[in-house]
Amino acid sequence: LAKTTQPISMDSYEGQEVNITCSHNNIATNDYITWYQQFPSQGPRFIIQGYKTKVTNEVASLFIPADRKSSTLSLPRVSLSDTAVYYCLVGDNPSGTYKYIFGTGTRLKVLA
Amino acid sequence: AAGVIQSPRHLIKEKRETATLKCYPIPRHDTVYWYQQGPGQDPQFLISFYEKMQSDKGSIPDRFSAQQFSDYHSELNMSSLELGDSALYFCASSLGGRAGEQYFGPGTRLTVT
Repeated sequence: LAKTTQPISMDSYEGQEVNITCSHNNIATNDYITWYQQFPSQGPRFIIQGYKTKVTNEVASLFIPADRKSSTLSLPRVSLSDTAVYYCLVGDNPSGTYKYIFGTGTRLKVLA
Repeated sequence: AAGVIQSPRHLIKEKRETATLKCYPIPRHDTVYWYQQGPGQDPQFLISFYEKMQSDKGSIPDRFSAQQFSDYHSELNMSSLELGDSALYFCASSLGGRAGEQYFGPGTRLTVT
C-alpha cells in the first residue's frame, strides 16, 4: 500500500503564507485530492478539494501538477488559530481494492 | 448548516464487550464513511456505504461490521473489543459517492478497559 507522505511539522509566523505538500504517487485515476485541518480530539475539517491544476476558495488554494503525484496546500496569511494538523486525503486502488488514504499529517505551528 | 452527528460522543467498554456507534449524515448526503484514529496516529479508513450498499472496504477488522439504513444513518458494530480498539471513531458523509467532499463528524471516543 503506497504511503501518502507529508512533512512532519512546519513553523510559521503570523501573516505569512504557508505551503504544505503531499506526495501521493499511487493516486487513483479518477480520484480527487482533499485537504483537512484537524484540532486535537476533533473531527477533520474540510478545507479544499481539487482534481488538477489550481483550485482556490475563501480560505486556501490547492495546486496540483499535471502528473497528480503531489499536491500543495497554500494558506495565505496564517494566524495563530491556524495552528493545527493538516492532512491530505486521496483514494488509492491497490490490487483493485479502493481505499481512502490520509497523508501522514503536517503539524503546523504559527508563532506570534 | 447541519453537520454530521455521531453518538455517543464517549463510550467506555470492557474487553470482550460489544459496542455500537451511530452516525447521522448531513441531510441529503447519500454516502457514509467510517474512520478510526488511534492516539497520535492518522485516521485509518474502515468502510464506506453509498446508497445503503457497501461501497469500499479498508482496514476494518472482522470483529467489526457496519451498515447504512434506509434513512441513510449508519451504525458501526464492534464485538469482542480489545484494548487496541481504543481510539477516536469518525464518521464522514458526502453526496454522490467517491467524488464527493467528505464532511466529518465530531467523533466517538471509545475507551476499552
